[in-house]
Amino acid sequence: EVHLVESGGGLVQPGGSLRLSCAASGFTFGAYWMTWVRQAPGKGLEWVANIKQDESKKYYVDSVKGRFTISRDNAKNSLYLQMNSLRVEDTAVYFCARDSNYYDSGVYYDAFDIWGQGTMVTVSS
Amino acid sequence: AIQMTQSPSSLSASVGDRVTITCRASQGIRNELGWYQQKPGKAPKFLIYGASNLQSGVPSRFSGSGSDTDFTLTISSLQPDDVATYYCLQDNNYPRTFGQGTKVEIK
Repeated sequence: EVHLVESGGGLVQPGGSLRLSCAASGFTFGAYWMTWVRQAPGKGLEWVANIKQDESKKYYVDSVKGRFTISRDNAKNSLYLQMNSLRVEDTAVYFCARDSNYYDSGVYYDAFDIWGQGTMVTVSS
Repeated sequence: AIQMTQSPSSLSASVGDRVTITCRASQGIRNELGWYQQKPGKAPKFLIYGASNLQSGVPSRFSGSGSDTDFTLTISSLQPDDVATYYCLQDNNYPRTFGQGTKVEIK
């Protein structure tokens, strides 16, 4: 069965750091882009970052550029999000998701087709 | 960044009703749009890619349409299991952006 499990969330003070992990199983992890999406309490979904299979491409939402770093270890089937200089507004549930390509009529589309259950990050003094 | 605007923000309909949610992009995104369903306390679930292609296993009462800037998600006959918040997501450009969500309830 295909599975993603996040860990590493918790309570941290503003300006602090946290490293999230996402363990994958049931599929060939190294064959897929991977993504982080977050959801602040009572709010909507926000895409945070994604990473190509070989780490050669990484993209970030502007609000986390220079503070967050996405990485992966294909040998360990694991995705990571290093979060530095955390702010109160980074408080959210963080989901990892498999970023798959779907093909139709000559075009490839991205879709987040497998999701973890999420890990809560609270930034507060 | 491309802004995605959904309407309505919430709706209440009866079981069996036809429900339509719209999503508008701030610039043309061809048909590079997906739809996701999120039930309370759960991770989102992927429903549709390429604006109109149903993911395997998604009930056929769900359908999507549209291109360029205007898109719709339709539930042809609302069921109790469809109570959720629905989000559109553009995959045309970075950063990826979601709509703000539409909460669907049963009347």
